[in-house]
Amino acid sequence: SQKIEQNSEALNIQEGKTATLTCNYTNYSPAYLQWYRQDPGRGPVFLLLIRENEKEKRKERLKVTFDTTLKQSLFHITASQPADSATYLCALALDSNYQLIWGAGTKLIIKP
Amino acid sequence: EAGVAQSPRYKIIEKRQSVAFWCNPISGHATLYWYQQILGQGPKLLIQFQNNGVVDDSQLPKDRFSAERLKGVDSTLKIQPAKLEDSAVYLCASSFRTANTGELFFGEGSRLTVL
Repeated sequence: SQKIEQNSEALNIQEGKTATLTCNYTNYSPAYLQWYRQDPGRGPVFLLLIRENEKEKRKERLKVTFDTTLKQSLFHITASQPADSATYLCALALDSNYQLIWGAGTKLIIKP
Repeated sequence: EAGVAQSPRYKIIEKRQSVAFWCNPISGHATLYWYQQILGQGPKLLIQFQNNGVVDDSQLPKDRFSAERLKGVDSTLKIQPAKLEDSAVYLCASSFRTANTGELFFGEGSRLTVL
């Protein structure tokens, strides 16, 4: 069966450390993958997009990797801050029609 | 630049009643999406419009849900009659690109509680 998995348990990280979130998928042929941030009671906000032929993408303190062999994307936040606390969603675009398939999200908590 | 506008933010109804949600996308965005997000889950696509035409409504429960996008701008999503399992946040999103190759811009969502 096709599915996208993100860590269902909340991730607790000490302020200043690097937070790493995982997005695994099975039986999909992806065109690209996106990461979004969602705060409570708000809509998701786009962060980064990485294409299937790209290994790594960076934006300020954010870094995303995409390994189509392992069928996995890693999302890193360096020098984490309490303001980074939120739920992070990954969304995979299928190469057949670019339809987005969403993970359930991982809740990240950065402790001061 | 104004973002995606949605209303109402919150709605509480009894089961079997009807409800309608409204969305105004970012100006110039051709593609509009309605998603359903149940607590603890990722968004689930209900319907996608390209201008005022439907691109994908394969996951829309058409016996009770309907959506339209008149004149290719605003959109409404209607549920009639509502069921308990329809309790969720209904997210509207828009994107500029005509193909699905860009970021989505989401509204704040409309939280529906069905009692």
